Amino acid sequence: NAGVTQTPKFRILKIGQSMTLQCTQDMNHNYMYWYRQDPGMGLKLIYYSVGAGITDKGEVPNGYNVSRSTTEDFPLRLELAAPSQTSVYFCASSYVLSPRGSYNSPLHFGNGTRLTVT
Amino acid sequence: DQQVKQNSPSLSVQEGRISILNCDYTNSMFDYFLWYKKYPAEGPTFLISISSIKDKNEDGRFTVFLNKSAKHLSLHIVPSQPGDSAVYFCAASPEYGNKLVFGAGTILRVKS
Repeated sequence: NAGVTQTPKFRILKIGQSMTLQCTQDMNHNYMYWYRQDPGMGLKLIYYSVGAGITDKGEVPNGYNVSRSTTEDFPLRLELAAPSQTSVYFCASSYVLSPRGSYNSPLHFGNGTRLTVT
Repeated sequence: DQQVKQNSPSLSVQEGRISILNCDYTNSMFDYFLWYKKYPAEGPTFLISISSIKDKNEDGRFTVFLNKSAKHLSLHIVPSQPGDSAVYFCAASPEYGNKLVFGAGTILRVKS
């Protein structure tokens, strides 16, 4: 009963390095999301995907890229790490029957990846 | 511009008493509201939700109230238990739970 699994749990990057945060879900959810949480702030949406092959920007997409080749996986790519990207990153998934329908599952979150860029 | 605001960073309550967590929003397009609970080193977990067609939703010890005219919602926990100590996030969405916009969170401490 894994749910949403994120790896790694922790990572320290130097400025300018790149990395991929992995996210996989086993609930057959069609929607997946990446959020970041900065200290004292709420979670902010980076990117989301409504299904394999379809992604869209959220509130804070700059400096990130995503892809969705399968239903299960939704990796987040940082190409040129900057100190402003120091944050805790959460991946989430949900089942959406209809975007404006009344039956959609709540978001299920992974346990996060704590990233420090120095 | 914060569309969802939780103005109390923290709240301390005695075990057995009521905990009331508050949330205000500014976007009148929001039609679905949720509360999430978060323990340290874990992701947020869904607690309770309410759609804009209702003004109250109950689930056991948890009740969410929505006042659309005031753009305000609150979460009541009765009775509060030490295991309820966590960060509580209010979230809102214009699309029944998608693209959630989160508040900054309120740290609840329930003292035994």
